[in-house]
Amino acid sequence: ETGVTQSPTHLIKTRGQQVTLRCSSQSGHNTVSWYQQALGQGPQFIFQYYREEENGRGNFPPRFSGLQFPNYSSELNVNALELDDSALYLCAASGGALNEQFFGPGTRLTVL
Amino acid sequence: RKEVEQDPGPFNVPEGATVAFNCTYSNSASQSFFWYRQDCRKEPKLLMSVYSSGNEDGRFTAQLNRASQYISLLIRDSKLSDSATYLCVVPNTGGGNKLTFGTGTQLKVEL
Repeated sequence: ETGVTQSPTHLIKTRGQQVTLRCSSQSGHNTVSWYQQALGQGPQFIFQYYREEENGRGNFPPRFSGLQFPNYSSELNVNALELDDSALYLCAASGGALNEQFFGPGTRLTVL
Repeated sequence: RKEVEQDPGPFNVPEGATVAFNCTYSNSASQSFFWYRQDCRKEPKLLMSVYSSGNEDGRFTAQLNRASQYISLLIRDSKLSDSATYLCVVPNTGGGNKLTFGTGTQLKVEL
């Protein structure tokens, strides 16, 4: 519906491990943003990529990193996982002039 | 003041009722605003955009009061299917496309 897909849908990791989450969007969505949504909270901005360059970052430590590829797909990498990293991770794509962002279905990460 | 603050909720209303949510924002330079709807364990979906004083789409009306820095969402003749969390969203004014979300207000429409 939104043209934004994410994989995997669910993931279980243990503390200290590393994880890579993926996002794909349709052509024309040249900006991708990643958000973390903890239970009962609104999504929190992690960072944004525009034309393969980081274009803004929220209050997240360096162990959260990302990439955007020429085909508009994107990755979110988290190193040294902590229990508090358990959340729904959302990617949002945009490319129009109205600043509207369209979210993928999210990846639910559980850290044990 | 928090960047974006919403009514605490939850709001439990009977079917057919009119319900209103308020949201306040701290950045007076903000020009556009959004309401997103989020169903349980799903992604947020854009419900309405607000670029001037307000916007209306069927049973939904969003109003903007720049002087008081608040946005409201009014739902008339509420349906069971309106049950969801409603997120007030303010885009970043400093360039880029960052969205700042409120914590959301949960609405439960009951028979």
